[in-house]
Amino acid sequence: QQQVKQSPQSLIVQKGGISIINCAYENTAFDYFPWYQQFPGKGPALLIAIRPDVSEKKEGRFTISFNKSAKQFSLHIMDSQPGDSATYFCAARREGNTPLVFGKGTRLSVIA
Amino acid sequence: KAGVTQTPRYLIKTRGQQVTLSCSPISGHRSVSWYQQTPGQGLQFLFEYFSETQRNKGNFPGRFSGRQFSNSRSEMNVSTLELGDSALYLCASSSSRASYGYTFGSGTRLTVV
Repeated sequence: QQQVKQSPQSLIVQKGGISIINCAYENTAFDYFPWYQQFPGKGPALLIAIRPDVSEKKEGRFTISFNKSAKQFSLHIMDSQPGDSATYFCAARREGNTPLVFGKGTRLSVIA
Repeated sequence: KAGVTQTPRYLIKTRGQQVTLSCSPISGHRSVSWYQQTPGQGLQFLFEYFSETQRNKGNFPGRFSGRQFSNSRSEMNVSTLELGDSALYLCASSSSRASYGYTFGSGTRLTVV
């Protein structure tokens, strides 16, 4: 059973546009929701993370929106650039020393 | 500050062989987690070690094992390799105080032929 469902699998966005990636979860015990960015040949790198006590967190062009009642969270990339082309993973974790569970990833291509 | 170092970067093995992968965490980090990444399944959790003790274990067969040394370096071993074990194996480290923040290495690409 997949604990975190991510969509879409792939996304093509024009330069300057907004990229939106969505994730849904079932386990209400999750209390930490990070997004990771992975470039080819590299490991995933933490991009931005949110806790369920806030509905939105913004860092530069990256924003996480969190809807606790719907058990959904999303990543918005404003003014998308070709350098943002990468695979993005959402993840979730329960309180305590528990492992991160990941969505299956979204391959983003930003075209000029 | 040096990042997470995984060796080797690439490995080709034959079915039935065994393999050992190594991970050196960020200095001061005591937790090391291992993940298997494949195109179809994404990142699947293998196990986590903290202060030389396995703290969490994923749903993988017993052919997959690991250990952590007193300097926090970790190794994972896969015995009796199968074609389906071909994957990118990622190691992530975190400090005991900020255990929510994982830092990943670049991974070891294992190909089983």
